[in-house]
Amino acid sequence: QQQVKQSPQSLIVQKGGISIINCAYENTAFDYFPWYQQFPGKGPALLIAIRPDVSEKKEGRFTISFNKSAKQFSLHIMDSQPGDSATYFCAAVNTGNQFYFGTGTSLTVIP
Amino acid sequence: KAGVTQTPRYLIKTRGQQVTLSCSPISGHRSVSWYQQTPGQGLQFLFEYFSETQRNKGNFPGRFSGRQFSNSRSEMNVSTLELGDSALYLCASSMTGSVTNEKLFFGSGTQLSVL
Repeated sequence: QQQVKQSPQSLIVQKGGISIINCAYENTAFDYFPWYQQFPGKGPALLIAIRPDVSEKKEGRFTISFNKSAKQFSLHIMDSQPGDSATYFCAAVNTGNQFYFGTGTSLTVIP
Repeated sequence: KAGVTQTPRYLIKTRGQQVTLSCSPISGHRSVSWYQQTPGQGLQFLFEYFSETQRNKGNFPGRFSGRQFSNSRSEMNVSTLELGDSALYLCASSMTGSVTNEKLFFGSGTQLSVL
């Protein structure tokens, strides 16, 4: 059973556009929500993370929006660049430090 | 500072064989966790070790096992390989495994193909 559902599976965005990836979770025991970026041939790397006591976190062009009541969170990439082309994974971490990842979104930014 | 190192990078095995994958964490990191990555399922947690003890375990059959040595290096073993075990196996390390307070670092993975 997939505890974290991620959409879309793939996304194509023009350079300068906004990329939006959505995730939804079911288990209310999750208390940490990171996003990971993975380039081909590399392992995932932490991009940005949020705790459920805030509704938004911004780091540069990357923003997480968090809706606790709807159990949803999303990643917004502003001014998307070709170098942002990668696979993005959302995750939810429970109080036992166990990760549950989404199935990933392959982002392609067209120059 | 060297990152998380996984060896080998690629492996090809046949059904029924067993395989051992190796992971060297970042120096000073004592928590090592393993993940299976497949196109359809994304990343799925296998297990986590801290100070040579398995601390967490995911929902995988007993054919998947691991261990951690006193220098924090970890190995993962899969016995009686099945075609469905073909995947990228990722190792990640952190200082204590308290991932809400510290960063988790991933290796580049071992790509296992079972024929």
